[in-house]
Amino acid sequence: GEDVEQSLFLSVREGDSSVINCTYTDSSSTYLYWYKQEPGAGLQLLTYIFSNMDMKQDQRLTVLLNKKDKHLSLRIADTQTGDSAIYFCAESFTGGGNKLTFGTGTQLKVEL
Amino acid sequence: NAGVTQTPKFQVLKTGQSMTLQCAQDMNHEYMSWYRQDPGMGLRLIHYSVGAGITDQGEVPNGYNVSRSTTEDFPLRLLSAAPSQTSVYFCACKPGQGTEQYFGPGTRLTVT
Repeated sequence: GEDVEQSLFLSVREGDSSVINCTYTDSSSTYLYWYKQEPGAGLQLLTYIFSNMDMKQDQRLTVLLNKKDKHLSLRIADTQTGDSAIYFCAESFTGGGNKLTFGTGTQLKVEL
Repeated sequence: NAGVTQTPKFQVLKTGQSMTLQCAQDMNHEYMSWYRQDPGMGLRLIHYSVGAGITDQGEVPNGYNVSRSTTEDFPLRLLSAAPSQTSVYFCACKPGQGTEQYFGPGTRLTVT
């Protein structure tokens, strides 16, 4: 079955890099996503990676995918207080329509 | 372009009451979904629709009904509310060939 896991909390100092990790069990995923949720708001797509890619960089964000270990990570460079939020990884599958399987979410706290 | 709208934003129900959570999108997207978000569990798919007139069950469909009579609207009905349905509910939509899901702002439901 599908199971996506993340650590619950991460605290970093402003200006440092943040690395949020995600592990998944189903190797048939087609896309893997990172969503950001700010307090009281819906989910905002940050970036995604196709399952045959190893890395994707988008400004301050770097996504790394290790398919062998079923491990996905999101690195945020020069973390700012505005990056404080909950970050969800998610995966989708061929033929799955619009179904996404979400991780449990990692709460990122950026301290001054 | 309002995107995805959900009403109401907050609702308190008594056990056994019924109600409908509304979701509307003005992006002409084929796919629409309902998720619930509970602490420490990420988002779980309740029901989804790949187009008008077509609906299917997600991971946690029990206690909920949906219909999709138009492309724009995808209401979620709670037939007889239970305290276990206390949650934040998110509606999302996606174009047929797209990868990004667009989320509404959520409805916070409390069942006493």
